[in-house]
Amino acid sequence: GENVEQHPSTLSVQEGDSAVIKCTYSDSASNYFPWYKQELGKGPQLIIDIRSNVGEKKDQRIAVTLNKTAKHFSLHITETQPEDSAVYFCAASPPGLSFGAGTTVTVRA
Amino acid sequence: GAVVSQHPSWVICKSGTSVKIECRSLDFQATTMFWYRQFPKQSLMLMATSNEGSKATYEQGVEKDKFLINHASLTLSTLTVTSAHPEDSSFYICSALNRDKISTDTQYFGPGTRLTVL
Repeated sequence: GENVEQHPSTLSVQEGDSAVIKCTYSDSASNYFPWYKQELGKGPQLIIDIRSNVGEKKDQRIAVTLNKTAKHFSLHITETQPEDSAVYFCAASPPGLSFGAGTTVTVRA
Repeated sequence: GAVVSQHPSWVICKSGTSVKIECRSLDFQATTMFWYRQFPKQSLMLMATSNEGSKATYEQGVEKDKFLINHASLTLSTLTVTSAHPEDSSFYICSALNRDKISTDTQYFGPGTRLTVL
């Protein structure tokens, strides 16, 4: 089955700096890569996703890049704000939706 | 659009009792819903896939007789934890696929249900 690895497990950044989270996947059949943000005690919220027919996607301060040859994809958050502090999960599909282990992002004011 | 609700948001029960958790898609029809379990500081683990009108598909290692799933309509799936034990204490999260969306593989998650078994 699909194996998704996510790094780093924790990330602390100064407000205004950028944050980058990287994920790799194993199944070459995967073609959909969403990113979720989860705040404490809440369900995951989809923040951005990318499909295998594009290499980069941007939505305001959030961007995702995909290298299908190398089987890795990354989340970039620019101009970080304290409200960006949360746990971020990458995922790959199909088959199903396999999640990475998560990255706890802390934005220092 | 694409709002998923869960009820209850938290529940505390005694060991040996059964607990039912509801997952509803509020503004769309969901042919497929998923149930995940998440332990503290860990990732989401898929328990089962629920298709409307058919039996759920369980992941390896998940007991189907312990975690009963019913997807009776296009907007409702239920998870019943039978004979709950303390080790079943966890955060249970459902998600749904929006059949009306072009991106049919996008899962929308509910807010989760915290189960504590005493």
